[in-house]
Amino acid sequence: GPKVLQIPSHQIIDMGQMVTLNCDPVSNHLYFYWYKQILGQQMEFLVNFYNGKVMEKSKLFKDQFSVERPDGSYFTLKIQPTALEDSAVYFCASSRGANTGQLYFGEGSKLTVL
Amino acid sequence: AQSVTQPDARVTVSEGASLQLRCKYSYSGTPYLFWYVQYPRQGLQLLLKYYSGDPVVQGVNGFEAEFSKSNSSFHLRKASVHWSDSAVYFCVLSASSGSWQLIFGSGTQLTVMP
Repeated sequence: GPKVLQIPSHQIIDMGQMVTLNCDPVSNHLYFYWYKQILGQQMEFLVNFYNGKVMEKSKLFKDQFSVERPDGSYFTLKIQPTALEDSAVYFCASSRGANTGQLYFGEGSKLTVL
Repeated sequence: AQSVTQPDARVTVSEGASLQLRCKYSYSGTPYLFWYVQYPRQGLQLLLKYYSGDPVVQGVNGFEAEFSKSNSSFHLRKASVHWSDSAVYFCVLSASSGSWQLIFGSGTQLTVMP
């Protein structure tokens, strides 16, 4: 079936550094999402992106976070600067339609901030 | 506030046995409900969805779920499990009011013993 690819699968960085997580969504999908899962906790919504804009974001989407999809390439999540509490697995998802709940998820990018 | 509770963190059953994974939700409006499954080293995949109508919905691989408004539940069932069903199962709520957010339960790790 359709696949969402995430790069990298795992990244270790020092606190204060910048990190970019990349997502290659399903080709004909228009809506893109990031979710965050801290080890042992529930997956939580970060942000939704459509037509070049953030449509909705949660309180977890701090000012240090940003998303973009330049020229239809990767959908990216950038964190600058990183903090210890940013350590988590970040899941990218995409969907063809809006607000249907039928999302396709990637395998996740595990971020470890030291 | 919206929430999803999966009371069983781990469930172990023998191959061929029947299965029920429990899910309770909290939402004052009309919910959209989903079950997602995550197999090892894969992204989350949609198993089935409920929007309205018949409270029993069929999914892939013989799974079904029953929506109960009176009990605020959406339990997942399967008549006869296979070892390949071993995975983590997430009950998910989407508000019908137009929010982009999916609210995830904490997940149930299912282990099917051969």
